[in-house]
Amino acid sequence: QQPVQSPQAVILREGEDAVINCSSSKALYSVHWYRQKHGEAPVFLMILLKGGEQKGHDKISASFNEKKQQSSLYLTASQLSYSGTYFCGTEIYGDMRFGAGTRLTVKP
Amino acid sequence: DGGITQSPKYLFRKEGQNVTLSCEQNLNHDAMYWYRQDPGQGLRLIYYSQIVNDFQKGDIAEGYSVSREKKESFPLTVTSAQKNPTAFYLCASSNPTGYSNQPQHFGDGTRLSIL
Repeated sequence: QQPVQSPQAVILREGEDAVINCSSSKALYSVHWYRQKHGEAPVFLMILLKGGEQKGHDKISASFNEKKQQSSLYLTASQLSYSGTYFCGTEIYGDMRFGAGTRLTVKP
Repeated sequence: DGGITQSPKYLFRKEGQNVTLSCEQNLNHDAMYWYRQDPGQGLRLIYYSQIVNDFQKGDIAEGYSVSREKKESFPLTVTSAQKNPTAFYLCASSNPTGYSNQPQHFGDGTRLSIL
């Protein structure tokens, strides 16, 4: 079962903040976040682990609520380079499932 | 530099033809994955392999086949049974430990179209 992402799309002005949510109907052990630019491969941003350890990106933060089986990605003071589609993924023993993605557009 | 190489970048398939997409990695990763991405859509798992000579079906394995004879290679064959193969195909690798706590590294993808 794929995780569910919201919103599907968001448009920001430079400097504004955004939150992208990811929820799962199954217990989460870790949540991956990736960003994909149009026509390119996804790029790793961050992994959040059960128990709170976080690995990833300095300028983008995230939270992981194990009880609610949810994760949120926080983009603060957005830059033009933040534009792209953001995917969350949940993986257990190599079986990775990605959400449908959130398209983020940052305008000048 | 270490990375994942997918080839070709563009591929065209005739009706009734099988085609093979190549994926090679020199990251010494144990696990490799194939995803399909349709325009404006997310990534759907086709097959994955956590070790040489072993692989598992993902959500959309029908019409596809894979092999994992070498650690660094995980080719995907799109068979004639796959009636709608037009998509962007992405290969990835990682080094899973326990449940999972390692990122996936992606190749640049192959765009497959029907002639």
